Amino acid sequence: ETGVTQTPRHLVMGMTNKKSLKCEQHLGHNAMYWYKQSAKKPLELMFVYNFKEQTENNSVPSRFSPECPNSSHLFLHLHTLQPEDSALYLCASSQVVQAYEQYFGPGTRLTVT
Amino acid sequence: AQKVTQAQTEISVVEKEDVTLDCVYETRDTTYYLFWYKQPPSGELVFLIRRNSFDEQNEISGRYSWNFQKSTSSFNFTITASQVVDSAVYFCALRINAGGTSYGKLTFGQGTILTVHP
Repeated sequence: ETGVTQTPRHLVMGMTNKKSLKCEQHLGHNAMYWYKQSAKKPLELMFVYNFKEQTENNSVPSRFSPECPNSSHLFLHLHTLQPEDSALYLCASSQVVQAYEQYFGPGTRLTVT
Repeated sequence: AQKVTQAQTEISVVEKEDVTLDCVYETRDTTYYLFWYKQPPSGELVFLIRRNSFDEQNEISGRYSWNFQKSTSSFNFTITASQVVDSAVYFCALRINAGGTSYGKLTFGQGTILTVHP
């Protein structure tokens, strides 16, 4: 595998379910990001990790819980979501947070019913 | 606060036409970086170009060209002789050269959906 991979690619969950999104980067990067892309809205940064440490939480509700066990893996744990949380969730990585380019995964299309 | 505006929500052209995607940005910082990303139907954002605020030279890469004008705070993207494979959502983004956690934060525009018809 190369680049940034995300699983699952599609997820449908009820509001009472608990699920997790997984992101893995094969680029040797040290910074990882979660973005939310809703219809007709700009991409919204959710979380930033640099060397496994969370450096930014962009006022994200607690029903979204990130986890970064190592520099190659990033998870987004979901529980008690709302229908408005339905979106494309994109993971990205960069060499470090100061690096210019971020490399994106294909995203997980989440539908909350 | 930073802001990026892509006023064109959707553009539709016929193959071989030239098309320009507009991007206007707002920032009070003197050092910043501008980006264009392409998002094909597969979902991932593909990096196209980065420009820093001190480099106003226009750039050409094959059929792609970028026009950066600080005087009008614009960073427009032109595709020459468009092809069906150019159909995608294109995002303009801005990052300021601030310290701390702001280093990684990109501010994106809303994106322009480009459809190129055969």
